[in-house]
Amino acid sequence: GAGVSQSPRYKVAKRGQDVALRCDPISGHVSLFWYQQALGQGPEFLTYFQNEAQLDKSGLPSDRFFAERPEGSVSTLKIQRTQQEDSAVYLCASNRFSGHTIYFGEGSWLTVV
Amino acid sequence: DQQVKQNSPSLSVQEGRISILNCDYTNSMFDYFLWYKKYPAEGPTFLISISSIKDKNEDGRFTVFLNKSAKHLSLHIVPSQPGDSAVYFCAASVAGSNYKLTFGKGTLLTVNP
Repeated sequence: GAGVSQSPRYKVAKRGQDVALRCDPISGHVSLFWYQQALGQGPEFLTYFQNEAQLDKSGLPSDRFFAERPEGSVSTLKIQRTQQEDSAVYLCASNRFSGHTIYFGEGSWLTVV
Repeated sequence: DQQVKQNSPSLSVQEGRISILNCDYTNSMFDYFLWYKKYPAEGPTFLISISSIKDKNEDGRFTVFLNKSAKHLSLHIVPSQPGDSAVYFCAASVAGSNYKLTFGKGTLLTVNP
């Protein structure tokens, strides 16, 4: 596709439920990023992949958060045992290799009730 | 600790006038700065950037100014148009970790016809 595609766009989860958020980056983009944006805040870095290698996961808030990109294209962010504080927009982004300008998807809006 | 600060949550200007959005940072290791624009229910889109070796970068109606000694940057939009109404995020990265952007909280710009 032309841009970064994310699904689902909207997800309501009951507290304690596991969720999986999918990201399909721009074709040919080697680098993939996940950011979390809470209400009224700017995006915050979660993790970074170069191809299938997860080079930085320092932003993942807890061990309940897990990201993978097994074939170096599509990525999944998984949140186990969701908590209310996990409610946020989860933004996926990609760029061609490295460098500063990254291109964001529309985000997956997660609400934990 | 907010390393990138956008102290004005909102700004309102008249169509045709100049919009000036401000951003301050505290981390002297930041060497690249970007502005992203975000419409409701969409992901942030890249607008313009500047390296720390420059003090100005211009792209059409958009100009970013960087004052390293003051740790301050600003985005000027001239002339402002109603379609510019959006949330503007300032972001910065550190040399060697240019994949990891640190964002401010954003400024909501409203351009009135």
